[in-house]
Amino acid sequence: DGGITQSPKYLFRKEGQNVTLSCEQNLNHDAMYWYRQDPGQGLRLIYYSQIVNDFQKGDIAEGYSVSREKKESFPLTVTSAQKNPTAFYLCASSLSDGGSYEQYFGPGTRLTVT
Amino acid sequence: GENVEQHPSTLSVQEGDSAVIKCTYSDSASNYFPWYKQELGKGPQLIIDIRSNVGEKKDQRIAVTLNKTAKHFSLHITETQPEDSAVYFCAASRAGAGSYQLTFGKGTKLSVIP
Repeated sequence: DGGITQSPKYLFRKEGQNVTLSCEQNLNHDAMYWYRQDPGQGLRLIYYSQIVNDFQKGDIAEGYSVSREKKESFPLTVTSAQKNPTAFYLCASSLSDGGSYEQYFGPGTRLTVT
Repeated sequence: GENVEQHPSTLSVQEGDSAVIKCTYSDSASNYFPWYKQELGKGPQLIIDIRSNVGEKKDQRIAVTLNKTAKHFSLHITETQPEDSAVYFCAASRAGAGSYQLTFGKGTKLSVIP
């Protein structure tokens, strides 16, 4: 059963703490992405990675960090430097060989920071 | 960078009627335009996409049209059903070799009234 898993579904943290969101895919996709979604807003790109050990900043990378040590995994750390971390975070993946442009999304993690 | 505007932000239709959602984009180099459906608390799911070398694409009750000259594209849903109720997002991308960064519209909340 192929797909993208994100865990946990809900995450609560105190202000000032770093928190890491998990994203795993078994679709054998090279490219992976992290988006942030706020109420009434579209999805905004945080970071993306085309291959292992390489990643680029998206439109709103400040206060976030990522790693890509394995093809299947692309964890996102929300640091204490992120001013408004409470949001719905979505991970996605896609092929990168030009055959298909579709991005497949995980179920998301809702992060609440108080 | 790319900017995608989506209208309307909310749309209510009677079951069986048609629904139309419109998007405009700013980057004339964008060549891939997907539409995603997002149900409450879930990740977005691709419902249809179109590439810039095609003017129209249809999949059962769903169709997308693209006007490259005017830089706008539209989603058409015919014979709407209650299960079509969701938030719909359009996106645009300069797709090519490697990963494909999507720029999303802010979404349209579609309500189908039985």
